[in-house]
Amino acid sequence: ILNVEQSPQSLHVQEGDSTNFTCSFPSSNFYALHWYRWETAKSPEALFVMTLNGDEKKKGRISATLNTKEGYSYLYIKGSQPEDSATYLCARNTGNQFYFGTGTSLTVIP
Amino acid sequence: DGGITQSPKYLFRKEGQNVTLSCEQNLNHDAMYWYRQDPGQGLRLIYYSQIVNDFQKGDIAEGYSVSREKKESFPLTVTSAQKNPTAFYLCASRNQGRISGNTIYFGEGSWLTVV
Repeated sequence: ILNVEQSPQSLHVQEGDSTNFTCSFPSSNFYALHWYRWETAKSPEALFVMTLNGDEKKKGRISATLNTKEGYSYLYIKGSQPEDSATYLCARNTGNQFYFGTGTSLTVIP
Repeated sequence: DGGITQSPKYLFRKEGQNVTLSCEQNLNHDAMYWYRQDPGQGLRLIYYSQIVNDFQKGDIAEGYSVSREKKESFPLTVTSAQKNPTAFYLCASRNQGRISGNTIYFGEGSWLTVV
């Protein structure tokens, strides 16, 4: 099993604060790194798919970077809002299989 | 609307009974997956299927069985041989077109409680 690790496990921030969390993964045999946002009682929703070292992707206030050589990706949320509260999952895929981290649970306090 | 439908959402069963979780997708995806989540753990792969009438074991296949008779459907049976069946089960699908780029789409999950 190719372990994907996420930190921190959980995070509480005040509305308006910016925050970031980490996904680390084995750098060998890399295909792609995926970020998902998972709200309670809903399906995980794809945020980003990143394939190239140095990739940087952005969707509104959320952005992500990728370093395949050292095996990590950062997810940033600028100016957190209560609706950003969710679990953020990362996954590495090697061929047809996906390996998921345990997620970072974000709570944004109004 | 296109998507993945899992049913039932909540299921209670007595120990020793087999139970089947349904997963249907209308996204025309080739690949389908079943994952299990336990507290404090990431999603773990039970089985996956890349094409109709073919499927492969994932990391924790023992005590589970699947079938893929139709492209749209990938039901999971939790058998009495599964030692700790109480968990949250997620079905997913993916377009096989590009191995590295295509993301996985998920259903909303099924909670199984065995008493």
